[in-house]
Amino acid sequence: EAQVTQNPRYLITVTGKKLTVTCSQNMNHEYMSWYRQDPGLGLRQIYYSMNVEVTDKGDVPEGYKVSRKEKRNFPLILESPSPNQTSLYFCASSRIGTESYEQYFGPGTRLTVT
Amino acid sequence: AQKVTQAQTEISVVEKEDVTLDCVYETRDTTYYLFWYKQPPSGELVFLIRRNSFDEQNEISGRYSWNFQKSTSSFNFTITASQVVDSAVYFCALSARDTGGFKTIFGAGTRLFVKA
Repeated sequence: EAQVTQNPRYLITVTGKKLTVTCSQNMNHEYMSWYRQDPGLGLRQIYYSMNVEVTDKGDVPEGYKVSRKEKRNFPLILESPSPNQTSLYFCASSRIGTESYEQYFGPGTRLTVT
Repeated sequence: AQKVTQAQTEISVVEKEDVTLDCVYETRDTTYYLFWYKQPPSGELVFLIRRNSFDEQNEISGRYSWNFQKSTSSFNFTITASQVVDSAVYFCALSARDTGGFKTIFGAGTRLFVKA
């Protein structure tokens, strides 16, 4: 089954404790992206990647890191989480090309930083 | 700068009514992509439609239709004869080339309540 998986689905952590949220897709998509969803703000792009070893900042990259060492994986790293990073996080992937760019989303990771 | 505006925060209709969700976008790029996504109460995000900037054809898919007008930078979404299962948050999104690749901007979403 074609899908985007994220782990963990729920995470409660404390300020400053480094964490990683994994994202993996099995559709051989070039494009991968991370978003955070907050009430009233819709989804805001954190980072995106057009292909392996190519990453770019979205609108809200501060406090986050990503890497794209393999085509299928795009982990999101919070080196020193703070309470304002409490949010619902989605990973997404898509093909690249004229008839593409529609994104397929993972189930979401709800992160709480205390 | 790119921007997507969904001015309607919440809409409430009675089943079988038609409803239109508005989306206005801004971009200086000549090549861009517009999307609608649905987020039902269960929380997942579901792709509904994509439109390329060079394809202004409107589209109908069952009870759903989309009206893309470059002249007004709008990409509106109409649900005909709404049903309770249409209750969800609907997001309009824009992907356009940024310094590196294609950045994606979402609107704030419109929450649709369809009452039986």
